[in-house]
Amino acid sequence: EDQVTQSPEALRLQEGESSSLNCSYTVSGLRGLFWYRQDPGKGPEFLFTLYSAGEEKEKERLKATLTKKESFLHITAPKPEDSATYLCAVQAAENAGNMLTFGGGTRLMVKP
Amino acid sequence: GAGVSQSPSNKVTEKGKDVELRCDPISGHTALYWYRQSLGQGLEFLIYFQGNSAPDKSGLPSDRFSAERTGGSVSTLTIQRTQQEDSAVYLCASSPGPNSPLHFGNGTRLTVT
Repeated sequence: EDQVTQSPEALRLQEGESSSLNCSYTVSGLRGLFWYRQDPGKGPEFLFTLYSAGEEKEKERLKATLTKKESFLHITAPKPEDSATYLCAVQAAENAGNMLTFGGGTRLMVKP
Repeated sequence: GAGVSQSPSNKVTEKGKDVELRCDPISGHTALYWYRQSLGQGLEFLIYFQGNSAPDKSGLPSDRFSAERTGGSVSTLTIQRTQQEDSAVYLCASSPGPNSPLHFGNGTRLTVT
């Protein structure tokens, strides 16, 4: 069974204080690992897809990296508008339907 | 362009009543997914459509839950004889095909009183 565990569950940062969110996964053949951002009352918003170990992707203050067992979302010099819940999900290669298995998320709060 | 649209955005119903939740996917997206997000819980997969057929219904919690998709577009999730444990946000997502990310709507918040 595919499993995704995210840590920490919640993270409080001061504006400008860089940190990383962790996503550990077990999957029978990884097709892709996805990061989403979710704001209160909204659906998840797609950020990145990573396909193979060693791959990195960047968008503004966010950088996602991938190993064979985990992914990190690095946040550099965060701003209050980066406050949200960040969700990690995996897509298994054997999964014909391409559905995603999600972790529980990390709730990030950035204080000015 | 238009994203995934879900209606209603909020639904309050009495225990035992039936409810229908609607999803309009992004035009041209062949795959459609329903997920459920309960307070403090992660996203739980319910059902997946490819075109009008549902190859995977494994996530539906009970036979009170059903879903259909017509014309390869709009989908309806129906919950019969609602129970309080059905209270959650029901999210719909669509995707253009394999290896593509899912694009989510803003969900329907269902409250069963």
